[in-house]
Amino acid sequence: AQKITQTQPGMFVQEKEAVTLDCTYDTSDQSYGLFWYKQPSSGEMIFLIYQGSYDEQNATEGRYSLNFQKARKSANLVISASQLGDSAMYFCAMRGGVGGYNKLIFGAGTRLAVHP
Amino acid sequence: GAVVSQHPSWVICKSGTSVKIECRSLDFQATTMFWYRQFPKQSLMLMATSNEGSKATYEQGVEKDKFLINHASLTLSTLTVTSAHPEDSSFYICSAIQVTAGRAGELFFGEGSRLTVL
Repeated sequence: AQKITQTQPGMFVQEKEAVTLDCTYDTSDQSYGLFWYKQPSSGEMIFLIYQGSYDEQNATEGRYSLNFQKARKSANLVISASQLGDSAMYFCAMRGGVGGYNKLIFGAGTRLAVHP
Repeated sequence: GAVVSQHPSWVICKSGTSVKIECRSLDFQATTMFWYRQFPKQSLMLMATSNEGSKATYEQGVEKDKFLINHASLTLSTLTVTSAHPEDSSFYICSAIQVTAGRAGELFFGEGSRLTVL
């Protein structure tokens, strides 16, 4: 069975500072994908970044980077230079197995608050 | 990027009535869509996998007779909450997979539908 764990219910960060949101996962699949989504109060799910299990380099997308440590089964999201607009819920998710049709399982989420 | 649209965005209904929520992939064909449910301040819980032309696959604990899913075309999946009760009030989100040859499927989410049952 697959499992995603986010142990930080809430995080606070000062504007312009960096913040790390933790995510660990458990799966028996050899091939899997890890995702991070942002959900503002409006409810929409905004895709941030993706890391494939066979990717050797850590994924980066602008101010977002994924600290992928495969042996430890962790996929932490790093947001650099936090902005007030980054305040939202952040979900780590995993899709396992081969092929493109497998379901996405979400962690419990971390609420990030960015203070001026 | 690809767009997935949900309708309605929000709906209020009386207890005992049925409510239909539509999920459309606007610019791609989606043979597979997923339906999630999200209670306030909680995570997204997968309810079912909707497959075009076949029966949906429900997650454990989800009542298939209460949450009817129909995926009649490659661009439309519908979720019908039958005989809705206040405990069915939730945020329902769909997602659709766009598969491109040689690449893992990319997932796109709808805007979500907020259901309130009085």
